[in-house]
Amino acid sequence: RKEVEQDPGPFNVPEGATVAFNCTYSNSASQSFFWYRQDCRKEPKLLMSVYSSGNEDGRFTAQLNRASQYISLLIRDSKLSDSATYLCVVTLNTGFQKLVFGTGTRLLVSP
Amino acid sequence: EPEVTQTPSHQVTQMGQEVILRCVPISNHLYFYWYRQILGQKVEFLVSFYNNEISEKSEIFDDQFSVERPDGSNFTLKIRSTKLEDSAMYFCASSEAPPTSGRPLFFGPGTRLTVL
Repeated sequence: RKEVEQDPGPFNVPEGATVAFNCTYSNSASQSFFWYRQDCRKEPKLLMSVYSSGNEDGRFTAQLNRASQYISLLIRDSKLSDSATYLCVVTLNTGFQKLVFGTGTRLLVSP
Repeated sequence: EPEVTQTPSHQVTQMGQEVILRCVPISNHLYFYWYRQILGQKVEFLVSFYNNEISEKSEIFDDQFSVERPDGSNFTLKIRSTKLEDSAMYFCASSEAPPTSGRPLFFGPGTRLTVL
C-alpha cells in the first residue's frame, strides 16, 4: 500500500463550484498533515495545515479522520486561479523530519 | 515575506560531471532539506539537515550526494558524478521546527537539473 494515496484526477469543474479531494495514508502513527498546492513546474506551496478538529481558511476547509486515516480538502466557490495540483502531505513517525507526498490531485477550473 | 531562494534555476551538465546546487534558506529557520521531483512523478525526500549535520536521508541519497552549510546562509547539494536518472527538479526547503511539530516546510523555486 502506498504511504499516501490520492486520486490523480483531473477534476474539471466550472467556476463557482464546490469540489472535494480525498487522501488516505498508510501509517497510523503519522503525526502532522498538510495540503500543499503545486502549479505546473513550480515549487509546492503551503495551502494549509490540517488539524485534528478540522480547520477552515477562507474558501478552503480541511478535515482529518485519524480512525480512517483519511484527510480531505474542500474548496468552495472555485476560482480560475485555483487550477493547480493539490498535494496531500504527511509526516511519518519513523523519521521525524521527513515529509511524504502524495502524487497529487489535479484541479482544472473553467469559466 | 521571507522566502527560500535557489540558484541556478536551470543547470545542464554532462553525465559524470559534478554539480553543486545552491540554496539560501529563510534566515531564522533551523531545519534544511532537499527534495527532488522527476518530471511527472511525486516529490521525494532526499535529506534533512540540522545543527550542521545530516539528521535523516533517503535511499536515493547515496555516496554520490553530499550536503553542506558552508556559511551562515547557504545550503548546498553536491552530486559528484551525475547520472542520466539524476535529471529532475531539485527543491530546497527550510522550516523553523521539525514537521512532526506541525510546522510546515517552505520550498524554494527549484533548480531544474538536466543530465545529458
